[in-house]
Amino acid sequence: AQTVTQSQPEMSVQEAETVTLSCTYDTSESDYYLFWYKQPPSRQMILVIRQEAYKQQNATENRFSVNFQKAAKSFSLKISDSQLGDAAMYFCAYISQGGSEKLVFGKGTKLTVNP
Amino acid sequence: GAVVSQHPSWVICKSGTSVKIECRSLDFQATTMFWYRQFPKQSLMLMATSNEGSKATYEQGVEKDKFLINHASLTLSTLTVTSAHPEDSSFYICSARGPAGETQYFGPGTRLLVL
Repeated sequence: AQTVTQSQPEMSVQEAETVTLSCTYDTSESDYYLFWYKQPPSRQMILVIRQEAYKQQNATENRFSVNFQKAAKSFSLKISDSQLGDAAMYFCAYISQGGSEKLVFGKGTKLTVNP
Repeated sequence: GAVVSQHPSWVICKSGTSVKIECRSLDFQATTMFWYRQFPKQSLMLMATSNEGSKATYEQGVEKDKFLINHASLTLSTLTVTSAHPEDSSFYICSARGPAGETQYFGPGTRLLVL
């Protein structure tokens, strides 16, 4: 079974600085998708970024980018120019392509942004 | 695009009553929707997968007679908590598989408090 591990329960960053959240996963499949979701205090789950495993190019969305290392099964999220609104729980998630429809979530990383 | 609504956002009910939660995809059709439960400071726990026009698939340990799921149209899935008890108090989140396929988009969640 696939697993997703987020080894950092909590992280903090100064406003305007850069922070990287770690995520590793375990799978025997070659085709899959990876996601980062953000859950602010409102508890709404918001899609931050998505990566297709077949794409070598790392996904980027404005201040958010990923470092996808397929061989190492690593999928870290970099947040540049951190803003107070970035404070939230961040969940890394995996889903196989064409197989189980279930999203496999990590346990989450709580990000605090200090002014 | 890919907006999912959930209603109600808050519900307080007496023990023994039933509560219905609606999940709607507003700007896309969703043949597959998902229901999650989230305990404080924990990740999301998948309860069931809801497929339009067919019976839901429940995760192991989830009582199908207690958590009734109906997916009667391509934009609406409902979760009914029957004979609710205080231990059913939780945060319930739905998601819908979006037009792109593997990406799930989440509703804002429903906080259920059973007295």
